[in-house]
Amino acid sequence: GQQVMQIPQYQHVQEGEDFTTYCNSSTTLSNIQWYKQRPGGHPVFLIQLVKSGEVKKQKRLTFQFGEAKKNSSLHITATQTTDVGTYFCAGRLNTGTASKLTFGTGTRLQVTL
Amino acid sequence: GAGVSQTPSNKVTEKGKYVELRCDPISGHTALYWYRQSLGQGPEFLIYFQGTGAADDSGLPNDRFFAVRPEGSVSTLKIQRTERGDSAVYLCASSASGGNTGELFFGEGSRLTVL
Repeated sequence: GQQVMQIPQYQHVQEGEDFTTYCNSSTTLSNIQWYKQRPGGHPVFLIQLVKSGEVKKQKRLTFQFGEAKKNSSLHITATQTTDVGTYFCAGRLNTGTASKLTFGTGTRLQVTL
Repeated sequence: GAGVSQTPSNKVTEKGKYVELRCDPISGHTALYWYRQSLGQGPEFLIYFQGTGAADDSGLPNDRFFAVRPEGSVSTLKIQRTERGDSAVYLCASSASGGNTGELFFGEGSRLTVL
């Protein structure tokens, strides 16, 4: 079945440092979404990428969708303590019908002063 | 309601018992998803409804798990003969659009502990 892996599993940075998480799918995706889950909370939607090679920015966050639509990345510039949490990518298969959203394994980010 | 509501927030049960978890999605959302999440893991897909019908139930682990959405709104996840391995947070999410797009809005989850 479809697998979505993320690396690293965990990253600890000092405030102000940059952070990147990488997402890889075993199959070509129709689109990919990114979610953030704070400790003790539920996943919250950040963004959706649909086109091959697409790049989107949200303030300090930059999201990319690979040319082959099998990988994606999230980069945070100058991390802040409010960025703490686990970041999940979630992909849908490239089919013509409605399909489930498969979540990645997640990257837990810890930010210290 | 304003968001996705899940009840109970916490459920402790004994091995072998029957459990029902309820999800009340955002009003008007046609798509509804059930996931379960174990500590340190990503949400694991269970089942996806489009309206009243299960569009994809390929994630249900075995026949002890069943979910319904009889009127296309509230959904109930039913677990028979619970096992310790069923312990997890069960997350419900709804989406305004079906098909291959649309963000998911998650509830706070129901934490199930099977003793």
